[in-house]
Amino acid sequence: EPEVTQTPSHQVTQMGQEVILRCVPISNHLYFYWYRQILGQKVEFLVSFYNNEISEKSEIFDDQFSVERPDGSNFTLKIRSTKLEDSAMYFCASSAGFAGGLRDEQFFGPGTRLTVL
Amino acid sequence: SQKIEQNSEALNIQEGKTATLTCNYTNYSPAYLQWYRQDPGRGPVFLLLIRENEKEKRKERLKVTFDTTLKQSLFHITASQPADSATYLCALLNFGNEKLTFGTGTRLTIIP
Repeated sequence: EPEVTQTPSHQVTQMGQEVILRCVPISNHLYFYWYRQILGQKVEFLVSFYNNEISEKSEIFDDQFSVERPDGSNFTLKIRSTKLEDSAMYFCASSAGFAGGLRDEQFFGPGTRLTVL
Repeated sequence: SQKIEQNSEALNIQEGKTATLTCNYTNYSPAYLQWYRQDPGRGPVFLLLIRENEKEKRKERLKVTFDTTLKQSLFHITASQPADSATYLCALLNFGNEKLTFGTGTRLTIIP
């Protein structure tokens, strides 16, 4: 069964450093998402991406964050200058798009645990 | 303000019984509602999606209902097994935007 994959599974970085989290969405999907989950808290939406541009972003997704689809398979999240509070699990998700005029379900990857020291 | 609430943080159910989890929301107009399972340290795994014009969906031992008047979804696991122990998340997608908004989850433990 096709699945979303993410690398690395765990990333440790120093405060102020840049990190890039990588995702390979399901191959025929058109919509891509990043979410994060701080330990013990709920899953929070960061950004959605369609047709090579951001379609929606949350207030968490500030100028320190950017997303890119550099080729036909990868989808990346970059944090320019990490802060302690960026420590969280980051999940990539993808969906096929519309089914009968309505949004389709989102499938999540296993996550990258980001630890900022 | 908008809220998604899941009935309890933790729920213990005897093996073989039906587990029922509740998701209530306020100030949303959901296009659909999804239920996910999450195991510790893992990503959410999609279980079921129910659209705003549907009352009930089933998949094997799982059943979801959706009442847009009560603003509530119920998630049932029948003939529960210890392997069903996990955190279950409800999430809804509002009409007119892209983001899936999650509840805080219910940690379900099935006791042998």
